[in-house]
Amino acid sequence: RKEVEQDPGPFNVPEGATVAFNCTYSNSASQSFFWYRQDCRKEPKLLMSVYSSGNEDGRFTAQLNRASQYISLLIRDSKLSDSATYLCVVPGAEGSGGYQKVTFGTGTKLQVIP
Amino acid sequence: NAGVTQTPKFRVLKTGQSMTLLCAQDMNHEYMYWYRQDPGMGLRLIHYSVGEGTTAKGEVPDGYNVSRLKKQNFLLGLESAAPSQTSVYFCASISGPSGYYEQYFGPGTRLTVT
Repeated sequence: RKEVEQDPGPFNVPEGATVAFNCTYSNSASQSFFWYRQDCRKEPKLLMSVYSSGNEDGRFTAQLNRASQYISLLIRDSKLSDSATYLCVVPGAEGSGGYQKVTFGTGTKLQVIP
Repeated sequence: NAGVTQTPKFRVLKTGQSMTLLCAQDMNHEYMYWYRQDPGMGLRLIHYSVGEGTTAKGEVPDGYNVSRLKKQNFLLGLESAAPSQTSVYFCASISGPSGYYEQYFGPGTRLTVT
């Protein structure tokens, strides 16, 4: 299994729809997870952190399934402005001097259609 | 408060030329990372620093060097550019170990090596 795996999409959904993405990971020891959003030709920005079973922020819900080693991102009532690529980030082993490896997924592209 | 800035934003190099990318942050963060992002691949760590005067190799360090002489600046050097180094380069600044804290990214440098 790859360290972090995401369906690249694209997911084309109409405005107002609910859409969900999954991200699978291989390191069962990972404790915290992140979803970043990346707009076309821009830098990634943090969307949500997931430290326990899940997290909710408005229309966005992130859930963690440790047994099956995946995290999901659910977007309700999709807006045109949600169109972006969503990157899953999974921490790995801790190294020396405080460094901790993180692995970025390749991203899932979402296109919300009017 | 500018956050993380990168210069230059775009650059075209000929094979064999050298250049330096500058990353600057004004958040007093200890940790700074350099990534490259290529189509179909996740962000890959080139080099990182856990504090002023310290640097270490990441996942894909070959052909790059770095320096962190001042806490707020992290420089990435290409000694002899190759077409395989055509990529988008992102710098990130973090207040603590990357597995637990948000990474703040600069806007990126788009480098083409011909």
